[in-house]
Amino acid sequence: QSVLTQPPSVSGAPGQRVSISCTGSSSNIGAGYDVHWYQHLPGTAPKLLIYGNNNRPSGVPDRFSASKSGTSASLAITGLQAEDEADYYCQSYDSSLSGYVFGSGTTVTVL
Amino acid sequence: QVQLQESGPGLVKPSQTLSLTCTVSGPSVSSDSYYWNWIRQHPGKGLEWIGYIFFSGNTHYRPSLKSRVSISVDTSKNQFSLNLGSVTAADTAVYYCARGSSDTSGFLSYFDDWGQGTLVAVSS
Repeated sequence: QSVLTQPPSVSGAPGQRVSISCTGSSSNIGAGYDVHWYQHLPGTAPKLLIYGNNNRPSGVPDRFSASKSGTSASLAITGLQAEDEADYYCQSYDSSLSGYVFGSGTTVTVL
Repeated sequence: QVQLQESGPGLVKPSQTLSLTCTVSGPSVSSDSYYWNWIRQHPGKGLEWIGYIFFSGNTHYRPSLKSRVSISVDTSKNQFSLNLGSVTAADTAVYYCARGSSDTSGFLSYFDDWGQGTLVAVSS
């Protein structure tokens, strides 16, 4: 069972906005550790999408944005495109577990 | 441009040691700017961090695996390796190597480049 909880799936039509939540606790997100987001198409290398809560690496479209508040974080995708169909994971550090933790993962489906 | 490529056996027998190597193209594994990690994904499950090694040789492992895991570096080949001992079927997973970057405090924070992953099955 993942330490960070995400909805199993979200979906939207092309052009719409979807949001993925990442719920943690006082030993990870709530302790002030940064949250990062990854996009993963099965069979390929996961890709860093957001680092440091709300920063996009070079090359990541500004359709992707993220925020963090309290013990939760969220990733938003605006102007949804077919190529955004993938699994998305949040990640942080957990002081109780003394290690890096990932969310349970969310599959984004473009209708 | 950074490239990471995992290599190693795709099948390991129970109780034996799983050994994988990650070959890095681009940055040196002896750079003080990065952490070198292993992460795995069990079939149909999420991602699980296994551990890292830093240029100094310092390592940090997932506590639940600490007794069975070791990560080492070969600077002459620009590679780092994973050894996981006493494997069981529960260790069947896709194993990824990844480069990690730190936050402003120098603490490993996120994983900015990954290999494609290699499936390792544990079975007799």
